[in-house]
Amino acid sequence: RKEVEQDPGPFNVPEGATVAFNCTYSNSASQSFFWYRQDCRKEPKLLMSVYSSGNEDGRFTAQLNRASQYISLLIRDSKLSDSATYLCVVKHSGYSTLTFGKGTMLLVSP
Amino acid sequence: EAGVTQSPTHLIKTRGQQATLRCSPISGHTSVYWYQQALGLGLQFLLWYDEGEERNRGNFPPRFSGRQFPNYSSELNVNALELEDSALYLCASSLGEKQPQHFGDGTRLSIL
Repeated sequence: RKEVEQDPGPFNVPEGATVAFNCTYSNSASQSFFWYRQDCRKEPKLLMSVYSSGNEDGRFTAQLNRASQYISLLIRDSKLSDSATYLCVVKHSGYSTLTFGKGTMLLVSP
Repeated sequence: EAGVTQSPTHLIKTRGQQATLRCSPISGHTSVYWYQQALGLGLQFLLWYDEGEERNRGNFPPRFSGRQFPNYSSELNVNALELEDSALYLCASSLGEKQPQHFGDGTRLSIL
């Protein structure tokens, strides 16, 4: 089983739609969780950290369920500029390295 | 504030050659991480340096090595290049172990 699993997509949605991505992780010792965004042929950029109580940043909401080892990202009112690959990332306790999912591609169309 | 900078942007080598990739972290960041992003494989962790020491390495052969300098910049060296080493190599830095990592633009290494 892969350490971090994501649906590769692509998710094709119209502008204004709400879209949700899910991610599961296998290592229960995982300590920190992040969503990164990666545009085509560009570097990953931190979108948001994911906290146990859930957190929101504008149109983006992240949720963490430690019992189910599951992370989600909700994007409301999708914009064309949201088109990118969204990477689910976990950090294990005691290690500073990150483990990346392969990403979920989002395509927002006019 | 300048972000993580990497050089060169592109590097073309042939099999058997050696490649050196460079990374300058964000000012004040002491930890530097190297990742390989090969087509279809996602980001794979290569190496982590902190305060000049190698703290951890991923599941890569010894021909992948590096170092961190006193100014916290870092080099990644890949010896005896193979075709499958063709990938985007990304460097990231962070303020500390619990802080998010910020990535540079990457070096695209092509092996002919």
